[in-house]
Amino acid sequence: QTVVTQEPSFSVSPGGTVTLTCGLSSGSVSTSYYPSWYQQTPGQAPRTLIYTTDTRSYGVPDRFSGSILGKKAALTITGAQADDESDYYCALYMGSGTWVFGGGTKLTVL
Amino acid sequence: EVQLVESGGGLVQPGGSLRLSCAASGFTFSGYWMSWVRQAPGKGLERVANIRKDGSEKYYVDSVKGRFTISRDNAENSLFLQMNSLRAEDTAVYYCARLDWNAFDIWGQGTKVTVSS
Repeated sequence: QTVVTQEPSFSVSPGGTVTLTCGLSSGSVSTSYYPSWYQQTPGQAPRTLIYTTDTRSYGVPDRFSGSILGKKAALTITGAQADDESDYYCALYMGSGTWVFGGGTKLTVL
Repeated sequence: EVQLVESGGGLVQPGGSLRLSCAASGFTFSGYWMSWVRQAPGKGLERVANIRKDGSEKYYVDSVKGRFTISRDNAENSLFLQMNSLRAEDTAVYYCARLDWNAFDIWGQGTKVTVSS
């Protein structure tokens, strides 16, 4: 069974840049997986940040960007702010009406 | 305003049933695939089921196949999840989500389901 992998945790300094990744236990992530990214703070519903690899959802600041880096999808936050401290999830479309989420990355801004 | 509002969650005993509802507004509901995504306490997100615009195709995560049924009423702009034979591991917040461009683009606030005796 394919597992979608993410770093369990990451830390960034205010104003810094961080890149979170989304990989596969077997194989490489490509645009054909339509990678998407979601931000979630405790007790809140997820918020969609990025879809189809690199398209920002409506209202998402341009300091959030998506890409493919090597064999993984990536979410880069440039100029991190305190309120970026959240859990970040990626999702990959596996075909046949199936999506799989990664386990999430807890981002700390300090 | 585009909005999804879930209801129907609650406490149920193992083996019991619940029916979740999601009321959509602010967009043409019949024009979109829809999905249920859940999050167990302290855990990550898991896509549970999704349904085609006209209800003709349905897909489920393996762990709920044969127990859960997703359906929709486009005339009432509503999405449903019938959950039978509930287990402790089904305890989670269940989110209704709209699918667009192969992503979950709009989310409801969630409804909590607790399976416990």
